[in-house]
Formats: sequence, structure tokens, C-alpha cells
Amino acid sequence: AQKVTQAQTEISVVEKEDVTLDCVYETRDTTYYLFWYKQPPSGELVFLIRRNSFDEQNEISGRYSWNFQKSTSSFNFTITASQVVDSAVYFCALSEEDQGGSEKLVFGKGTKLTVNP
Amino acid sequence: DVKVTQSSRYLVKRTGEKVFLECVQDMDHENMFWYRQDPGLGLRLIYFSYDVKMKEKGDIPEGYSVSREKKERFSLILESASTNQTSMYLCASSFLGNNEQFFGPGTRLTVL
Repeated sequence: AQKVTQAQTEISVVEKEDVTLDCVYETRDTTYYLFWYKQPPSGELVFLIRRNSFDEQNEISGRYSWNFQKSTSSFNFTITASQVVDSAVYFCALSEEDQGGSEKLVFGKGTKLTVNP
Repeated sequence: DVKVTQSSRYLVKRTGEKVFLECVQDMDHENMFWYRQDPGLGLRLIYFSYDVKMKEKGDIPEGYSVSREKKERFSLILESASTNQTSMYLCASSFLGNNEQFFGPGTRLTVL
């Protein structure tokens, strides 16, 4: 069965520090997708990135970067020069396709990031 | 922009009441989902639907039912609310064939 592990429950950093959020996944599928979502204090999950299993290129978007390594089944997320507005709960998720072809996501338990001024 | 709305941000109900949580999306998505979010447990899927009048159980369907009479609306029903159903409830939707889900703002339900 699919599983996503975010071992870091809470992380606290000081503004301008770099921080990496870890995500390790388990799947038997050869084709799958990995996601990161951000949940600010307002509560709504915001989509950050989707990566398919055939694309191991790292991605950078502004201060955000993602490191996908199939060899270690990891999809880690790094925030460079963190800011107070980055404070949120971050979820890693893995796509799961059941026998009916439905497209579900399996979420990790989330990492709460607090960036202090 | 995709918009997923939920009928209430905060709701307080009493044990034994029947509770309806409503979710509406305006992007013609086929798939709709209900999750609950609890501290330390992350998001857990309750039910999902990939078409009108279709529903599938998720990981924790016990104590819940759903209704999808129209494509844009997906309702979560607590037939007889219990205190252990106090939680944050999140609705999401996506296109068929596209697993990127768009989320609503959530409903924080307290059952007393």
C-alpha cells in the first residue's frame, strides 16, 4: 500500500535560514505523482508542486526547490532564506490509483514550520 | 481561478444531531473528496465521488455518508454526530484524469 512519511513533526527556524522538509514515500506503482501542499493558518491547502515518477529533475521556483530521488524514494522540499510568511503546515502527498481508476492522494502527516523573526 | 467553497468555516453541534457539510466547486470537476484533518494524523480520506450519484469509501467512512446529486456539489453527512467527530473537514475537487486536487477553506466542526 502507498505510504508517505514526513518524519519531522515540527521545525522552528529563524528568518533567513534555509530549511529542508523531508518526505519519504512507498509505492509499488511504476507511474505515480508526488505533491507538496502548503496549509497556512487560514486553513486552505495550497498546491505547490506536482512531479511525476519519470521526471527526476530537481525544480526551483523562487526560494523554493525540490529534490526528487527515486533511489531513496524521497521528495524533499527546501526553502531558501525563509520568511515569516512561510510559517505553515506542509504536506507531502503521493497519487494512488485504485482498481477503479480513481485518482486519490495519500498524504503524509505534515510538518509544521515556524519561522521566527 | 478554481474555487471550492464550504458552507461554514466553524460549526458547533450537539451529540446525536444530524450534520450536513456542504461543498461546492465551480470548475466542472468530476472528482470530489472529503477529508478530515486531526493533529498528528494528517489528512484522512472519508469519501470521494467521481461522478454524480457515484461514491466510494475512503479510509475512514464509518459514521459518515455522502450525497452527490449535482456535479458541483458534494455533501458530507454525519447521521448522528459524536464527540469523536470533532475535527477539521476539508473538501477538494479535481478533473478526471488529473490528480491535482484543489481544496476548500475547511470547516472546523465541534461536537459537544
